[in-house]
Amino acid sequence: QSALTQPASVSGSPGQSVTISCTGTSSDVGGYNYVSWYQQHPGKAPKLMIYDVTNRPSGISNRFSGSKSGNTASLTISGLQAEDEADYYCSSYTSSNILVFGGGTKLTVL
Amino acid sequence: QVQLVQSGAEVKKPGASVKISCRASASTFSTYYMHWVRQAPGHGLEWMGIIDPSGDTAIYAQRLQGRVTMTRDTSTSTVFMELSSLRSEDTAVYYCARGVRNWVDYWGQGTLVTVSS
Repeated sequence: QSALTQPASVSGSPGQSVTISCTGTSSDVGGYNYVSWYQQHPGKAPKLMIYDVTNRPSGISNRFSGSKSGNTASLTISGLQAEDEADYYCSSYTSSNILVFGGGTKLTVL
Repeated sequence: QVQLVQSGAEVKKPGASVKISCRASASTFSTYYMHWVRQAPGHGLEWMGIIDPSGDTAIYAQRLQGRVTMTRDTSTSTVFMELSSLRSEDTAVYYCARGVRNWVDYWGQGTLVTVSS
């Protein structure tokens, strides 16, 4: 199972919006509404930000939103804040009953 | 408060095995799947496998098949991950994480495993 494809890096200024893409295949992203997104700050464990494509866990800011079209899922962060600077990973359930992660995207807040 | 507490750092020689434990708060343990995810230094997350709430079924990433074993002890609310035939490429931080089949919501603190001769 190949990793999902994410851009290596994205950047934006405070207050702006950024979108991170996550591209898979019809056997994972495109086949199920089971994409999740994780935020990871350096030296910390990842944190769930979005699950099942669009859902936010309790306590996650509504500045974070998820969507999907075909084989590509997206995470949008609006009203960028300095504390959003982190690595972001997507994950998808697959037809092999396993999970697969994306390679990760480093978000820089300029 | 959900807590997953992992065992401490390990240093192993190539060819050896390592077994990491992850103790969960009782409310977490009995109804959730437990995943294991690892992260090599400077690299991304790699999903290793999942064990179901009963401990009867574990599914592993294909590239680790034959080297990884996941088990759970319901009496102590602990899950274990054993990785054998260690090689330098297995040097990583290993995380246990609670969730359902398709996502995880709470993570352990991570256990650094260093494989070096």
